[in-house]
This record gives sequence, C-alpha cells and structure tokens, in this order.
Amino acid sequence: EDKVVQSPLSLVVHEGDTVTLNCSYEVTNFRSLLWYKQEKKAPTFLFMLTSSGIEKKSGRLSSILDKKELFSILNITATQTGDSAVYLCAVPNDYKLSFGAGTTVTVRA
Amino acid sequence: KAGVTQTPRYLIKTRGQQVTLSCSPISGHRSVSWYQQTPGQGLQFLFEYFSETQRNKGNFPGRFSGRQFSNSRSEMNVSTLELGDSALYLCASSGGGEKLFFGSGTQLSVL
Repeated sequence: EDKVVQSPLSLVVHEGDTVTLNCSYEVTNFRSLLWYKQEKKAPTFLFMLTSSGIEKKSGRLSSILDKKELFSILNITATQTGDSAVYLCAVPNDYKLSFGAGTTVTVRA
Repeated sequence: KAGVTQTPRYLIKTRGQQVTLSCSPISGHRSVSWYQQTPGQGLQFLFEYFSETQRNKGNFPGRFSGRQFSNSRSEMNVSTLELGDSALYLCASSGGGEKLFFGSGTQLSVL
C-alpha cells in the first residue's frame, strides 16, 4: 500500500521567516508527487513534480523532488499571514491520490 | 471556467438516516473522485469514476456508494449513517492527468 509521511505535523513561524516542509513516500510505479494548500475547505493545487522535473518554483514557493531518497521538500520564503494553511503532499496511483497527514503552518504577524 | 461545485455545503443528519451528496465537475472533466476528510484520518479515498464507470474504490464499507451520470456529474450516498461518518466530503475532478481540482466540500454532521 502506498505510504506518504509528512513532517512536521505543525509549526508556528513569524512573518518573514522561511518554512521547510517535508514529504517522504513509498509508492509502486512512481510517476509524480503533488503539493496542495488547504486553507478552509477546498485543497488548491500548488505543484506537481514528475520524474522528468525535480524542481518547481512559483513566487515565494518552491519544491524539489529527490527520487533516489524518495522525498520532496516544499519551501516558503518570506512568509506572510496568508500562507497560514494546511499543506498536503500526495502521490497518485491507480486513479487515486494517497495523501499525507498534512503540515499545519501558522504564520504570526 | 467554473470550478468543482458540491451541494449541499452543510448537512446535519441523525444516526440511521441516509444522505446523498452531489458534485458537478469542471466542464469537460470526465473523471470524478470522492474523498473523506476527518481530523484523525486525514484525506481518505472513497471512489473514482470515469465515463460512468467506477475504476477504483477505497476501503470503506458498502454503506458508501456512488455513481456518475452521462454528463459527468456525480453523487455519493451513505446509508445507515453512523456517528463516525461525520466528516468533510470532498469531490475532485480531473481532465485526464493526475492533477485533481477539488470542490469546497460538504460538511456532514451525524448526531
């Protein structure tokens, strides 16, 4: 069975800090890894990393994939209060996504 | 382009009742999947449909069922509700790739 483990489970930072979120995975037939941000209800897509692309960047957010060590990192630089959310990591297999438990990030002003 | 639409947003039911949740995918998306989210278990896969066919089903009891219509809209049904069924039920659609687009969910409370 596919396994996705995220760490830490939660963290509190101050505006301007840098946050690093971890996601390790075990999945048969790895094709990609996805990151989502969930603020209230609907998870919103951030990044998808595939075997052919090991780094993605969008503004203050960036993510890398280490296929050898089977993990991914999501970085958020210069954090803002609007970054407060649950960040979810997921791997697809057999028409479903297997999610990690998520990391709750709280950014204090 | 409208996003994934789920109705109703909130539901309160009592044990033993049944409930039907509805999901309209993004226009053109033919794959619809359902997830249950609880504080203890996180996001758990329920089932996935493509062109009215269920392609995968998660480890949930038979009380949980779903279907997809020819216009790609989907419904899920939970019969004989239990207290443990209280959760946020999320629907997601896909246009063919692995990226899912989620709706805002239906918050179900079972009393």
